[in-house]
Amino acid sequence: KQEVTQIPAALSVPEGENLVLNCSFTDSAIYNLQWFRQDPGKGLTSLLLIQSSQREQTSGRLNASLDKSSGRSTLYIAASQPGDSATYLCAVTLRTGANNLFFGTGTRLTVIP
Amino acid sequence: ETGVTQSPTHLIKTRGQQVTLRCSSQSGHNTVSWYQQALGQGPQFIFQYYREEENGRGNFPPRFSGLQFPNYSSELNVNALELDDSALYLCASSLSPGGFTYYGYTFGSGTRLTVV
Repeated sequence: KQEVTQIPAALSVPEGENLVLNCSFTDSAIYNLQWFRQDPGKGLTSLLLIQSSQREQTSGRLNASLDKSSGRSTLYIAASQPGDSATYLCAVTLRTGANNLFFGTGTRLTVIP
Repeated sequence: ETGVTQSPTHLIKTRGQQVTLRCSSQSGHNTVSWYQQALGQGPQFIFQYYREEENGRGNFPPRFSGLQFPNYSSELNVNALELDDSALYLCASSLSPGGFTYYGYTFGSGTRLTVV
């Protein structure tokens, strides 16, 4: 069974700081990995999607990397802003089965003005 | 292009009752999945429908059931509600050529279900 772990569980940084969120998964036979943002009580907003054949994806101030062999992904946020405060979730799909998402428990980020 | 829409946004039910949650998938998407998210946890996979057939199910009892309609919208039905069913229920849609979610998932805003 795929297990996804996110460290740290919570992170508080001053505005303007660069930061890294970590995600690890136990089964390296993934199909793709997706990073999401979730505001309190809301749904999920997709940030980045990385296919298993890719090493990284970038969107604006966000950069996500994938090392499938070691079962790790990182989400790098540059020049953090208070509006970045949210919970960040990573999720993987496998090449077998229903291709459903396996989620970590998330990292709750607070950016202090 | 419309995104994924879910209704209702909030719902309060009594233990033992039945509930139906609804989801309209994003235009052009042919796969719908449902997830349950308890407070402080990551979403857990309930089941997935591809071309109106259930093609995967998580570790949820049979009282959780669903449907996908020809327009790819979907329903989640939960019978005999229990207090532990209180959660945020998320619907996600995707375009799955050959059954694989190459383009990733798009989520709705969720339905907050409270069972009292």
